[in-house]
Amino acid sequence: AQTVTQSQPEMSVQEAETVTLSCTYDTSESDYYLFWYKQPPSRQMILVIRQEAYKQQNATENRFSVNFQKAAKSFSLKISDSQLGDAAMYFCAYDRGSNSGYALNFGKGTSLLVTP
Amino acid sequence: GAVVSQHPSWVICKSGTSVKIECRSLDFQATTMFWYRQFPKKSLMLMATSNEGSKATYEQGVEKDKFLINHASLTLSTLTVTSAHPEDSSFYICSARPAGELTGELFFGEGSRLTVL
Repeated sequence: AQTVTQSQPEMSVQEAETVTLSCTYDTSESDYYLFWYKQPPSRQMILVIRQEAYKQQNATENRFSVNFQKAAKSFSLKISDSQLGDAAMYFCAYDRGSNSGYALNFGKGTSLLVTP
Repeated sequence: GAVVSQHPSWVICKSGTSVKIECRSLDFQATTMFWYRQFPKKSLMLMATSNEGSKATYEQGVEKDKFLINHASLTLSTLTVTSAHPEDSSFYICSARPAGELTGELFFGEGSRLTVL
């Protein structure tokens, strides 16, 4: 089974500071995709960043970056210069691939609180 | 980015009735759509994969006779909760990616909150 584990139910960060959200996954595949999605109170799922496993370079999107450690099956999200609008649930997700219709498996999520 | 729209955004129904939720891809065609269920403060659980022109593929433990999925066109998939009961109350989210793009970003609808009295 391709499981995604987020071990931090809640995290808190001060505005302008940096926070790292953890994610580990389990797979026997060698090529796959990983994602971080954000779900604000509106419940709309928004893509934050994605990583292709065959790419060694860590993905970066403005203030968001990942630390992808393929051998350790770890995929953490770093948010720099945190803003109040970053407060949301963050879900790590794994692309299940062709055997499962390319659906995404999600972790349990991390609730991020941003304090002024 | 691509837009996925769900309707209704919220619905309240009586126990025993059926409710239909629509999921539309507004600016792209989708041969595959995915239906997820989310309980309060919980993760998204995949219910089924909706395939245009063919039967949906249900995840283990999901009752296909209770959660009817129809994907009659390349822009519309529907989820019908039949004979709804209070335990079916939940937040249902659909998602899709453009046809031909097997992997990559999934675009999500706004979700539909179902409350069964």
